[in-house]
Amino acid sequence: LAKTTQPISMDSYEGQEVNITCSHNNIATNDYITWYQQFPSQGPRFIIQGYKTKVTNEVASLFIPADRKSSTLSLPRVSLSDTAVYYCLVGSGSNYQLIWGAGTKLIIKP
Amino acid sequence: DAGVIQSPRHEVTEMGQEVTLRCKPISGHNSLFWYRQTMMRGLELLIYFNNNVPIDDSGMPEDRFSAKMPNASFSTLKIQPSEPRDSAVYFCASSLAWAGQGMNIQYFGAGTRLSVL
Repeated sequence: LAKTTQPISMDSYEGQEVNITCSHNNIATNDYITWYQQFPSQGPRFIIQGYKTKVTNEVASLFIPADRKSSTLSLPRVSLSDTAVYYCLVGSGSNYQLIWGAGTKLIIKP
Repeated sequence: DAGVIQSPRHEVTEMGQEVTLRCKPISGHNSLFWYRQTMMRGLELLIYFNNNVPIDDSGMPEDRFSAKMPNASFSTLKIQPSEPRDSAVYFCASSLAWAGQGMNIQYFGAGTRLSVL
């Protein structure tokens, strides 16, 4: 099974772009990469999902290189409200072999 | 829709007691997941259901844990007897049926914080 590894914590400042990288060396052919955001006392919330190359939505971008052994979540112009824990998830709906990362605690400073 | 609803939000019990956690998934969702979250082990998938049928319970830690989904709008996770090491936040999540590609978005409830004394 794929194992996901991500930094335990990161700091940044308001208005900056933040990139969080997840390593998943053993990702399977059918696996997709999904990122979730979690605030204290809440359940995780979907941010973005991708398979390869680049995906962008209204809140983030996801960059996946050709070998798919890593992925980078990019948050443009962060604000204090982006302070949260960000989880990388690797898996497929075909078998629900879900591999969650340990989460990256992102702290945004004014 | 009100989203995934879990009850209770907090549960404090004594070792040896039975604990029942409840979940109401989003209407129309076909898949339901139970997770446990702790500082030490992070998010762990315990069991998931497709169309009310348990598909994979390999994440259930031991026989003291059981889960049921008697209908499409209700699921329970039961711990009997409970132990202090079961203290954690338990999340329920639901999603639409898998469409044959990708990984369906999971919608999480607010969780139940369980403390076993």
